[in-house]
Amino acid sequence: GESVGLHLPTLSVQEGDNSIINCAYSNSASDYFIWYKQESGKGPQFIIDIRSNMDKRQGQRVTVLLNKTVKHLSLQIAATQPGDSAVYFCAERSSNTGKLIFGQGTTLQVKP
Amino acid sequence: EAQVTQNPRYLITVTGKKLTVTCSQNMNHEYMSWYRQDPGLGLRQIYYSMNVEVTDKGDVPEGYKVSRKEKRNFPLILESPSPNQTSLYFCASSLWAAGGGQPQHFGDGTRLSIL
Repeated sequence: GESVGLHLPTLSVQEGDNSIINCAYSNSASDYFIWYKQESGKGPQFIIDIRSNMDKRQGQRVTVLLNKTVKHLSLQIAATQPGDSAVYFCAERSSNTGKLIFGQGTTLQVKP
Repeated sequence: EAQVTQNPRYLITVTGKKLTVTCSQNMNHEYMSWYRQDPGLGLRQIYYSMNVEVTDKGDVPEGYKVSRKEKRNFPLILESPSPNQTSLYFCASSLWAAGGGQPQHFGDGTRLSIL
């Protein structure tokens, strides 16, 4: 069946360091892969996405890497700040139905 | 401000008492969806709608109903709530489903407790 999973439930980093959050997926048919950030008491917030025919996409302080060979997705956050503390979810999206399949989430803790 | 608004934000109720969670978006989005979020299970899709009068089941539709009579609203109805529907619910919308690249915007969630 379909599944999208994250390697680590919790990641703790020092403020100013770079963070890397990983995700493994199993469905090769999805057209888009998305990263969401969820802060306490709020809904998931879109960070960045990547089309399946790309292997890298950069945003402001964030980079998403897609390795289709090993079905691996990662989110890199440069110069991690306290405001980056949240739960991060990867998701894959069906281009036909818009359905999102979410991974379990990684909690990012930023130490001052 | 572009947003997805859910009401109520919190509700404690009893088994069998019908309830409706409203969802409204002001972005003229065609696509809307409901998810529930449970510890250890992540976010799972309940129902989705690609446009007015078009709805379809997600992964966990049992015990839920939805309607899409107008573009901006997508209420979630629990006709006879049961304790296993205690969860955190999110409504989301996006410009359109097909073609990808249209991020889903989420509401801030509705925490339901069914006693």
